[in-house]
Amino acid sequence: GESVGLHLPTLSVQEGDNSIINCAYSNSASDYFIWYKQESGKGPQFIIDIRSNMDKRQGQRVTVLLNKTVKHLSLQIAATQPGDSAVYFCADCALVGNTPLVFGKGTRLSVIA
Amino acid sequence: SAVISQKPSRDICQRGTSLTIQCQVDSQVTMMFWYRQQPGQSLTLIATANQGSEATYESGFVIDKFPISRPNLTFSTLTVSNMSPEDSSIYLCSVEGATDTQYFGPGTRLTVL
Repeated sequence: GESVGLHLPTLSVQEGDNSIINCAYSNSASDYFIWYKQESGKGPQFIIDIRSNMDKRQGQRVTVLLNKTVKHLSLQIAATQPGDSAVYFCADCALVGNTPLVFGKGTRLSVIA
Repeated sequence: SAVISQKPSRDICQRGTSLTIQCQVDSQVTMMFWYRQQPGQSLTLIATANQGSEATYESGFVIDKFPISRPNLTFSTLTVSNMSPEDSSIYLCSVEGATDTQYFGPGTRLTVL
């Protein structure tokens, strides 16, 4: 089956800096992508999503970039705060065909105060 | 987004016993999903549970081990049967919102001795 992977398992950033978390996906038919944040002891929390007809989408302090040519997805967090410390997962699926979400391995973001 | 609750939040069980996990949503949803997250790992889909039909299981998961009920549009249960220590995981339910996004419950942390 398809696999979604992440380039780096851990990322440490200084408080106030920008964070970039990367993700590679393998299913060329995927047309919907989601980033989740999971804090210790909690379920994954939706952050932002993007569909394949877009290459960039912005939310509050977060931006998702999609490069379909190289099947790459990134999450940018501006002015990283201690509360951003968590594990971040990307996930993708093909809405056409209704395939289930496939999750990446996760990146642990640690914010250094 | 939907508000999802799970019961129990955690449990410690003996080998060979079974545990039923409940998932309650505050609104009617068509699609509900059950995931497993082993310690330090990503999420793996167990099955999709749609009201009025039998659950659809992913490769590696079978109904005898993980029976699922979906009696109405706001509730589902997952049973982990004849447990072994390898079943120690976090079990998460999720629902699909109106915009294809999946929202997750807080999870049930299961430890099997």
